Amino acid sequence: AQTVTQSQPEMSVQEAETVTLSCTYDTSESDYYLFWYKQPPSRQMILVIRQEAYKQQNATENRFSVNFQKAAKSFSLKISDSQLGDAAMYFCAYRSLYSGAGSYQLTFGKGTKLSVIP
Amino acid sequence: EPEVTQTPSHQVTQMGQEVILRCVPISNHLYFYWYRQILGQKVEFLVSFYNNEISEKSEIFDDQFSVERPDGSNFTLKIRSTKLEDSAMYFCASTSGQGSYEQYFGPGTRLTVT
Repeated sequence: AQTVTQSQPEMSVQEAETVTLSCTYDTSESDYYLFWYKQPPSRQMILVIRQEAYKQQNATENRFSVNFQKAAKSFSLKISDSQLGDAAMYFCAYRSLYSGAGSYQLTFGKGTKLSVIP
Repeated sequence: EPEVTQTPSHQVTQMGQEVILRCVPISNHLYFYWYRQILGQKVEFLVSFYNNEISEKSEIFDDQFSVERPDGSNFTLKIRSTKLEDSAMYFCASTSGQGSYEQYFGPGTRLTVT
């Protein structure tokens, strides 16, 4: 079974600064997807960024980028030019590429609460 | 933009009562999920549903739980006899297919069991 670990329960960043959230995972699979989801106080989960394990290039979405280190099983999220609206819980998640059961469910970490200081 | 909806937003029930949580997935999606998040903890997978049957379930999803897609739009989670430890946020999610890796989440239903 896969596990996802987020070792930082809370982080804070000054507005306009850069912050990096850490995530490690454990799997015996060679192909999979990794995701970062944002959960603001409204509690709806919103996809921030995704990474396919078979792609060497790190994914980037505007101010959000990842540092994917497959050998180290590490998947960190970097938020540049932090904004007040970035304050939220951030969850790292894993999904198998293949599922014999046809499920494709996500396995989540415990989350990191990000505060943005004005 | 299409979205997943859930009702009710908050449900309060007494221990031992049955509850039904409702979800309307995005209309052309084929895979449906329920996840649970106990306050302050991580989001946990409960069950996935495809082609009108359960495709996978976690150990949390015991005989007290059931899912149904009674018509072409709704997807429900029933808890037969609620326990205090069932108090949590319940999220419904859907995705269009194998090649589409993004799961779209609903806003959640907060279940409080007293």
